[in-house]
Amino acid sequence: DIQMTQSPSTLSASVGDRVTITCRASQRISAWVAWYQQKPGKAPKLLIYEASTLQSGVPSRFSGSGSGTEFTLTISSLQPDDFATYYCQQYNSYSESFGQGTKVEIK
Amino acid sequence: QDQLVESGGGVVQPGRSLRLSCAASGFTFGKYAMHWVRQAPGDGLEWLGVISYDASSKFYATSVKGRFTISRDNSQNTLFLEMNSLRVGDTAVYYCAKGLPYDSSGYVTLWGQGTLVTVST
Repeated sequence: DIQMTQSPSTLSASVGDRVTITCRASQRISAWVAWYQQKPGKAPKLLIYEASTLQSGVPSRFSGSGSGTEFTLTISSLQPDDFATYYCQQYNSYSESFGQGTKVEIK
Repeated sequence: QDQLVESGGGVVQPGRSLRLSCAASGFTFGKYAMHWVRQAPGDGLEWLGVISYDASSKFYATSVKGRFTISRDNSQNTLFLEMNSLRVGDTAVYYCAKGLPYDSSGYVTLWGQGTLVTVST
């Protein structure tokens, strides 16, 4: 099984900050990575797929990059609505998996 | 609009079985792969498995293979998760989720609201 190691687990930041979250895959997975945002008590929401393609309706301050084993999600200027938990997901094989999550907190 | 509504959660004793359902609406259900994902209280997301658009292929996480079975009824726009030999560690919110058209592997574009399963004596 492919493991996704996400870091950091918690991130404290202020409105306007640039924020970067990293996911490392245990083996090469091309660009088969998605990123989701989840708020407390709610279902996750798709932000990015194929490592860097922005889902329709998602603000352009979100961006993704990477290929192979290392992937990043960047929020260029953190907004109040962005305080949430973020998960990466690999879908390279027919046994998909999520990272452990990164909680973005208010500093 | 596209919607997924899970049902069937509740409190169940260890060792027992439970069947979850997920009713889909707003899209052509029979065109899409469908996933189940769970989230234990205070924990992260865990992918459980996927069923292809026509039910010809099913893939499961190692943690539930042999105990959980995914099925679908395209005539009723409904997805199912049959869970057997339930354990305390299976306590979680269970989400059904819409995958990609005609592709068993892929990301999730739509999630249900989730249904809570509590395994307890």
